[in-house]
Amino acid sequence: DAGVIQSPRHEVTEMGQEVTLRCKPISGHDYLFWYRQTMMRGLELLIYFNNNVPIDDSGMPEDRFSAKMPNASFSTLKIQPSEPRDSAVYFCASSGTGRPETQYFGPGTRLLVL
Amino acid sequence: QKEVEQDPGPLSVPEGAIVSLNCTYSNSAFQYFMWYRQYSRKGPELLMYTYSSGNKEDGRFTAQVDKSSKYISLFIRDSQPSDSATYLCAMSEGNTPLVFGKGTRLSVIA
Repeated sequence: DAGVIQSPRHEVTEMGQEVTLRCKPISGHDYLFWYRQTMMRGLELLIYFNNNVPIDDSGMPEDRFSAKMPNASFSTLKIQPSEPRDSAVYFCASSGTGRPETQYFGPGTRLLVL
Repeated sequence: QKEVEQDPGPLSVPEGAIVSLNCTYSNSAFQYFMWYRQYSRKGPELLMYTYSSGNKEDGRFTAQVDKSSKYISLFIRDSQPSDSATYLCAMSEGNTPLVFGKGTRLSVIA
């Protein structure tokens, strides 16, 4: 299995631009998680899906952030408009049925907003 | 008080040393306890998984959970330079999202 796939791996953009991060979970996994990691705050859960349905988005920092999962093999995290404080590493993770605690992480997208 | 507390380090040890990494937590409902290892510029990878209290051993790694003290530990025996990474503890009540510690950065010096 290829594992969790994220794209792009690096993104540099200017403040105010729209940023779209993409994730392909491990085939057969029905949980998908989006995290943000910074030195100051560590790894923070933004939102998670179960069977393509958003379950908890309380970690999404504000309305500028949105996430979708149109099917079992694809999810996006969008930031519009982006701000410098959004600079972080964004991880996607997936886990299997009944095992949301055993998560497999992707390589992350390193985002820099200038 | 944060739900999960973890000393960020950095922790530097000589090769071959026994390493002890720890986390404390406040939520007594946590039942699942994990340790993730994260190499620089990589995603976290699941290293150890423990349900409820007790010990679990896997090669050079031992995970301990003391629910009465709300304290978990990861021991690394015969540490190697390849063990240099950030170690994150994570916990869950079960069928709920993981709550992560901030991670302890470990360097094993050859």
